[in-house]
Amino acid sequence: QSVLTQPPSVSGAPGQRVTISCTGSSSNLGAGYDVHWYQQLPGTAPKLLIYVHKNRPSGVPDRFSGSKSGTSASLAITGLQAEDEADYYCQSYDSSLSGVVFGGGTKLTVL
Amino acid sequence: QVQLVQSGAEVKRPGTSVKVSCKASGYTFTTYTLHWVRQAPGQRLEWMGWIIAGNGYTRYSQKFQGRVTIARDTSASTVYMELSSLRSQDTSVYFCARDPGGGYYFDYWGQGTLVTVSS
Repeated sequence: QSVLTQPPSVSGAPGQRVTISCTGSSSNLGAGYDVHWYQQLPGTAPKLLIYVHKNRPSGVPDRFSGSKSGTSASLAITGLQAEDEADYYCQSYDSSLSGVVFGGGTKLTVL
Repeated sequence: QVQLVQSGAEVKRPGTSVKVSCKASGYTFTTYTLHWVRQAPGQRLEWMGWIIAGNGYTRYSQKFQGRVTIARDTSASTVYMELSSLRSQDTSVYFCARDPGGGYYFDYWGQGTLVTVSS
């Protein structure tokens, strides 16, 4: 059971927009801790996609955007491309566990 | 450019220990915190602990407390993660990752090290 809850899978056609939700609690997102997002392609290390709710590292396309409100956060991907097919993880800090926590991951399928 | 290069795959017997290394380059080693994260086959990412490279302070996940040791060698710009009392459930890919500024997130990752625990 993950501390941060994500849908197991989402899908969309090329060019469409999809969103991935991440639901936490009062000890992590609700406590004001930042949320971050990673993209993991099969067989590779995760790659930082969004940090501190909505910031993109250099090189990440602006098709990717993030937001946070209360105990929830979301990642939006517009103009879906085949190369976006990957697993996506949200991540934060939890004060009850005194450590870093990840969501269960969401598999994005581009139809 | 920043690089984190990890040691190679390991096969271990249950009950033994494994030590994985992560060599950093391309930045001032002692300025950052390094974390260890693992991922069992087909499973989610799981945080294990961190070390502040500058002073060696460590913090571990409650799940691994007592079984994991993270250390660093500043002269080699290398961080180590040792996991003891291995069991089959520890079969995972182990990643090191850099925290860019105490923000509890990871901007660079190692390539991962597969540790297989099997009798």
